[in-house]
Amino acid sequence: AQSVAQPEDQVNVAEGNPLTVKCTYSVSGNPYLFWYVQYPNRGLQFLLKYITGDNLVKGSYGFEAEFNKSQTSFHLKKPSALVSDSALYFCAVRDNAMNYGGATNKLIFGTGTLLAVQP
Amino acid sequence: DTEVTQTPKHLVMGMTNKKSLKCEQHMGHRAMYWYKQKAKKPPELMFVYSYEKLSINESVPSRFSPECPNSSLLNLHLHALQPEDSALYLCASSHPGGRGPQGRGTDTQYFGPGTRLTVL
Repeated sequence: AQSVAQPEDQVNVAEGNPLTVKCTYSVSGNPYLFWYVQYPNRGLQFLLKYITGDNLVKGSYGFEAEFNKSQTSFHLKKPSALVSDSALYFCAVRDNAMNYGGATNKLIFGTGTLLAVQP
Repeated sequence: DTEVTQTPKHLVMGMTNKKSLKCEQHMGHRAMYWYKQKAKKPPELMFVYSYEKLSINESVPSRFSPECPNSSLLNLHLHALQPEDSALYLCASSHPGGRGPQGRGTDTQYFGPGTRLTVL
């Protein structure tokens, strides 16, 4: 079965320190991986995605993610955290298992990680 | 522009009411999605429309009725809801699989801000 795991419900980090939000995946075929961020009472905002190519993907707001095929991981990183980065982060993978006849963009989401950045 | 708009922002309805949620995008996307999200949980897919045709229904109860009148609009009609249906309802859009500029199934879903629904 295809799945995404975010092993940490919450990550706490001090402002200015580097942050990592972990994600591991299990898919058939090539993995198409995404990170989204959700601020309170808002929709999901796209941060970045890995399709193919360089293992280090750069995204919005200074975030980047490293794709590691051997460890089946796609951890989200930022060199220096800001208080404004505090939010709920979701990792997602495209569902490759099913053919939806033209609409094959079904995403499987992880359970989410709440990032709290302390000033 | 990667904007998806949703109206209303908030909706309170009784169990006997009929209401509708609206979603609009002008990015030329031909796939549109409805999700339901409970607090601090991941979004749960409800419906997918591809080229204005319903392509995925994730066994959603019939009290939720989607409609895609044209390529830019997506509605969700609500009738006889239950209190447990209270949630944030998110709309998203993307290029359908195999039709986007980056190839099959690789195109990003862009989400609207959501409608916060409370069923009394």
